Amino acid sequence: GQQVQQSPASLVLQEGENAELQCNFSTSLNSMQWFYQRPGGSLVSLFYNPSGTKHSGRLTSTTVIKERRSSLHISSSQTTDSGTYLCALEQTGANTGKLTFGHGTILRVHP
Amino acid sequence: DPKIIQKPKYLVAVTGSEKILICEQYLGHNAMYWYRQSAKKPLEFMFSYSYQKLMDNQTASSRFQPQSSKKNHLDLQITALKPDDSATYFCASSQGGRTLYFGSGTRLTVL
Repeated sequence: GQQVQQSPASLVLQEGENAELQCNFSTSLNSMQWFYQRPGGSLVSLFYNPSGTKHSGRLTSTTVIKERRSSLHISSSQTTDSGTYLCALEQTGANTGKLTFGHGTILRVHP
Repeated sequence: DPKIIQKPKYLVAVTGSEKILICEQYLGHNAMYWYRQSAKKPLEFMFSYSYQKLMDNQTASSRFQPQSSKKNHLDLQITALKPDDSATYFCASSQGGRTLYFGSGTRLTVL
């Protein structure tokens, strides 16, 4: 079965609204990373967050290992936040940099 | 300035031909990777290299051969191209297996 599941698959917001993106995983992990994929395709690293909570501007990532989930919170969304958000994990014992990605959440923010 | 350079950005090839995808990173990282993103599939890990040595290979086909001539280069040679090889190929790098940084990708179309 799929090791990394992201929800929702897509999300539409009005500018200024908040968003909560979820990532659930079925295996133990070394690390969890969140990426933003621009509509043109390039990827930008948002967080390296194997456990706990991290903040970066309007973004917050929380990983709870015991519950096998990680979330990405976007506050006060802007149209420029539109794109695909991907979570990816490195399994315990892998140590090769191999990340397993979810299918992503497609976010559209309307003005 | 982009720190991970992939060339070319777009590539069209005929079935049966051979192509080389170029990747150079200027982040001083010791590990480099190739990932593939096909239509409607999540990003898939292909290879990882550390200090120019192969660490992990998740590509079943020997038609895909990474080539590392320098520490900051990891090219990908693909032989006997098939239409199913059509995808965007991303190169990435990291230091110590932590946050991965991705290039902008090479979009390959095989006719």
